[in-house]
Amino acid sequence: AQKVTQAQTEISVVEKEDVTLDCVYETRDTTYYLFWYKQPPSGELVFLIRRNSFDEQNEISGRYSWNFQKSTSSFNFTITASQVVDSAVYFCALSEAGTGANNLFFGTGTRLTVIP
Amino acid sequence: GAGVSQSPSNKVTEKGKDVELRCDPISGHTALYWYRQSLGQGLEFLIYFQGNSAPDKSGLPSDRFSAERTGGSVSTLTIQRTQQEDSAVYLCASSLGTRGATDTQYFGPGTRLTVL
Repeated sequence: AQKVTQAQTEISVVEKEDVTLDCVYETRDTTYYLFWYKQPPSGELVFLIRRNSFDEQNEISGRYSWNFQKSTSSFNFTITASQVVDSAVYFCALSEAGTGANNLFFGTGTRLTVIP
Repeated sequence: GAGVSQSPSNKVTEKGKDVELRCDPISGHTALYWYRQSLGQGLEFLIYFQGNSAPDKSGLPSDRFSAERTGGSVSTLTIQRTQQEDSAVYLCASSLGTRGATDTQYFGPGTRLTVL
């Protein structure tokens, strides 16, 4: 079973629009961490945020904000006033503290295209 | 400081040849990961090194794949008798290693492997 689901394969928005990227996760672990990474056309995965399962406070960083809701197992990512430089593939990922798994479980990514 | 570096950035090889991919983690990071990113499979975990502990090889797809980490720093991923399905981008990541997979992983630029 897929541990992280990013149902949106591709999204296109016009510059300055807001956009939300969805992430739904599945785990039986009570202690886990969620991540978002950005992969621009250059190919390198760039870390954006790390959030643990005990901290449900939403977070804002500039034009980026994250909404973590344990009740719906979701960790959505919103970009406000999108810019062309936001065009990239965005990955949501999960790590589990109690299962012994040593890796990140990635979603399949959402390709965001911001049209000028 | 310097990030994770990988070499070569691109590698083209003929089917049946062996290849070596190199990863230099961030200085001070004790944990090192290899992932593979391909069109059909997304981001797949391959192997994890933590300090002097035995590596977690649970993600290696076949015995043609092996990896080593010398002196707790540089790592080499070796693929023997390459096949066309090995064509992918191989990503290396490192983390502080204090909290296992729940630490933030920082990724290198990747090596794009093409097997003809």
